[in-house]
Amino acid sequence: TQLLEQSPQFLSIQEGENLTVYCNSSSVFSSLQWYRQEPGEGPVLLVTVVTGGEVKKLKRLTFQFGDARKDSSLHITAAQPGDTGLYLCAGGTDSNYQLIWGAGTKLIIKP
Amino acid sequence: DTEVTQTPKHLVMGMTNKKSLKCEQHMGHRAMYWYKQKAKKPPELMFVYSYEKLSINESVPSRFSPECPNSSLLNLHLHALQPEDSALYLCASSQDWQGRNEQFFGPGTRLTVL
Repeated sequence: TQLLEQSPQFLSIQEGENLTVYCNSSSVFSSLQWYRQEPGEGPVLLVTVVTGGEVKKLKRLTFQFGDARKDSSLHITAAQPGDTGLYLCAGGTDSNYQLIWGAGTKLIIKP
Repeated sequence: DTEVTQTPKHLVMGMTNKKSLKCEQHMGHRAMYWYKQKAKKPPELMFVYSYEKLSINESVPSRFSPECPNSSLLNLHLHALQPEDSALYLCASSQDWQGRNEQFFGPGTRLTVL
């Protein structure tokens, strides 16, 4: 059974601080997607990483895919209140229709 | 355009009602999905349509009935639901059914069953 362990599950920090969210698995994924979700809304795709060691940047957000394609991280620099939300990672493989989801990280950035 | 639309945004229904949720995408995607999401949990897959045919039913009760009228539209027909079916229902689409393809989600329908 494929699992994706996401940590931390909850994070509350002050505006301007940095943070990192992790998704780890013992399984290899073909791709890993990061989403952000606001309450009552659908998940919004932030980035997809597909190559081992890949690093993608989206403004103050940096996403990394592990060399072995088993883990990924999301780093936010100088967090803003607008970064508040639920962050979800999801891994996919070519042989399975099912996305494997992390449990989510609820992030609160206090002004 | 990476937009998936869903209607209605909110729905309140009684246990004897029949209602439908609608989803539309114009990205030319050949796979479409229905998910159910409870508060503070990741989405749970319900159905997968690939090339307008139902490919996967994740053991969903028959009171949920999906329909794919064409490659852009996906419906979820609801009948005789239970209060525990109250949740956020999400539609998503992707290029094809393979898990490596990124999925784009709609804004969801917040369903309350009384």
